[in-house]
Amino acid sequence: NAGVMQNPRHLVRRRGQEARLRCSPMKGHSHVYWYRQLPEEGLKFMVYLQKENIIDESGMPKERFSAEFPKEGPSILRIQQVVRGDSAAYFCASSPNLGLLGSGNTIYFGEGSWLTVV
Amino acid sequence: TQLLEQSPQFLSIQEGENLTVYCNSSSVFSSLQWYRQEPGEGPVLLVTVVTGGEVKKLKRLTFQFGDARKDSSLHITAAQPGDTGLYLCAGARNSGGSNYKLTFGKGTLLTVNP
Repeated sequence: NAGVMQNPRHLVRRRGQEARLRCSPMKGHSHVYWYRQLPEEGLKFMVYLQKENIIDESGMPKERFSAEFPKEGPSILRIQQVVRGDSAAYFCASSPNLGLLGSGNTIYFGEGSWLTVV
Repeated sequence: TQLLEQSPQFLSIQEGENLTVYCNSSSVFSSLQWYRQEPGEGPVLLVTVVTGGEVKKLKRLTFQFGDARKDSSLHITAAQPGDTGLYLCAGARNSGGSNYKLTFGKGTLLTVNP
């Protein structure tokens, strides 16, 4: 997973501020996934993106959260007007093609961005 | 409702002991993955199993996928302090074409004492 780069690794925001988390997938990977790990909870799927397309955002909260994966540059997970409940570890993962996990393909996780809202 | 139940939640053993952790579900998964996560780090993939009944070995770690593809186990032989970490299982399902989406268990936190 060393190839998936996330930054910042740690971010502190006051309530009401915006948080932007960046993810550069592994070289050659065009599919990006964001997961959130809340304290005492397992990782939960948030969104799946390909270049310039949101494929599945069913796990994303309807308000304040957005994600993009532009043609150039990293994928961005944006949280507006953060609240204390947004404090969590946010993990990005990538895969080289459609993540057909049933056929044995896999996705690789980055080291995470830890958001603390104070 | 937790789709994947992992047990035990916590496990503390002495170096050299053997252990097994479990991952159970009432749902069928097209594949199941095991990860290890250390504090402040991301999950690192250990193995992917896709066939019911499949057994995979990785040095002292043995992974088994249940015949019905609803459960899995991880067995560690002669545990070492370096095995300490959070072990996560995650499954992918074929429902609705969303087989890219992983469902994670809450993990088993293993501590191996020297």
